[in-house]
Amino acid sequence: TQLLEQSPQFLSIQEGENLTVYCNSSSVFSSLQWYRQEPGEGPVLLVTVVTGGEVKKLKRLTFQFGDARKDSSLHITAAQPGDTGLYLCAGNSGGSNYKLTFGKGTLLTVNP
Amino acid sequence: DTAVSQTPKYLVTQMGNDKSIKCEQNLGHDTMYWYKQDSKKFLKIMFSYNNKELIINETVPNRFSPKSPDKAHLNLHINSLELGDSAVYFCASSQVGGKPEAFFGQGTRLTVV
Repeated sequence: TQLLEQSPQFLSIQEGENLTVYCNSSSVFSSLQWYRQEPGEGPVLLVTVVTGGEVKKLKRLTFQFGDARKDSSLHITAAQPGDTGLYLCAGNSGGSNYKLTFGKGTLLTVNP
Repeated sequence: DTAVSQTPKYLVTQMGNDKSIKCEQNLGHDTMYWYKQDSKKFLKIMFSYNNKELIINETVPNRFSPKSPDKAHLNLHINSLELGDSAVYFCASSQVGGKPEAFFGQGTRLTVV
């Protein structure tokens, strides 16, 4: 069974601070995705990383895939209240079923 | 246009009842899923269907019976509801062979009393 460990589980910071969320596994994934979920809504895809060592930027969000494709990080610069939400990483093991294994999420609160 | 839509959004019912949740996607995807999110926000896959065929059944009790009349629809029927079934159920879709990204519905919050 492939498991994804996310840390921290909860994070409460002030507007303008930087933060990093980690997603780690002992398994190799063919790709890894980050989603953000807001209350009362379904998860919405932020980014997919595929290549080991890959770095992708989405405005103030920077995503990195580990060289061995077992871990990933999400860094947010100058966090804003609008960044508040549940951040989920999900790994895809490839093959024909595209089963996504989700981490338990990081609940981020950015206080104004 | 909502890409993945599920109904109802809220469902409150008594123990022992039977209920259904419907899901439709207009993305042209060939694979659909049901996920369960518990009170701790953990998302766990329940079922996956590809072109109307069951691909994944993650040891879900047989009180849960998914049905896919066509590849754009995946419904979930639950018999003899129990208190522990209370959760948010998400439908999702993706395209096998395309980008491995899932598009989620808004969720159905099921409360069993």
